[in-house]
Amino acid sequence: NAGVTQTPKFQVLKTGQSMTLQCAQDMNHEYMSWYRQDPGMGLRLIHYSVGAGITDQGEVPNGYNVSRSTTEDFPLRLLSAAPSQTSVYFCASSRDTYNEKLFFGSGTQLSVL
Amino acid sequence: DQQVKQNSPSLSVQEGRISILNCDYTNSMFDYFLWYKKYPAEGPTFLISISSIKDKNEDGRFTVFLNKSAKHLSLHIVPSQPGDSAVYFCAVLGGGADGLTFGKGTHLIIQP
Repeated sequence: NAGVTQTPKFQVLKTGQSMTLQCAQDMNHEYMSWYRQDPGMGLRLIHYSVGAGITDQGEVPNGYNVSRSTTEDFPLRLLSAAPSQTSVYFCASSRDTYNEKLFFGSGTQLSVL
Repeated sequence: DQQVKQNSPSLSVQEGRISILNCDYTNSMFDYFLWYKKYPAEGPTFLISISSIKDKNEDGRFTVFLNKSAKHLSLHIVPSQPGDSAVYFCAVLGGGADGLTFGKGTHLIIQP
């Protein structure tokens, strides 16, 4: 059972470039989310989805887009990368919205130069 | 405004002793309180949780205590083992948020 799979593990971008962080889960979870982890800041919610076709903003959504066309996939798009988006990004999923047991992927380390 | 506060960025404990990690929160409407554990280069993993209607929950070496009047949560690890060295995040669910709200984490170091 793969759980939550994130790709790539590492990425270096130049300011202004765009890219998509991929996230897939094989647990048939309805709820999926993206967090970023910065030193001294903990984990902050970027965007989340409560099911296919439904997405919403979290605490720090600016500069990021998401879509949820299938239950399994929840990609995170950076349209024009900025140095402030240098961070570790985690995708997570759970059975439903109000469920404390989030399953996390192993993370994507992103550096924007 | 931080809703979940972990005021100790790091904690060093001798192997075999008790580790106590603390967490304070501001919103009395939170329903669930959780601890996640994170090793370097890995995603966080769920450790233990407690609902707002309880004041204690135990799972093996891990016990979580909830003091609602003080808005305080603590995690006790007894006895502490080298594999417990990790970053521990306190998290809360509820209060109108559509996802978990995390504290900044405490780096627990177990000394041999």
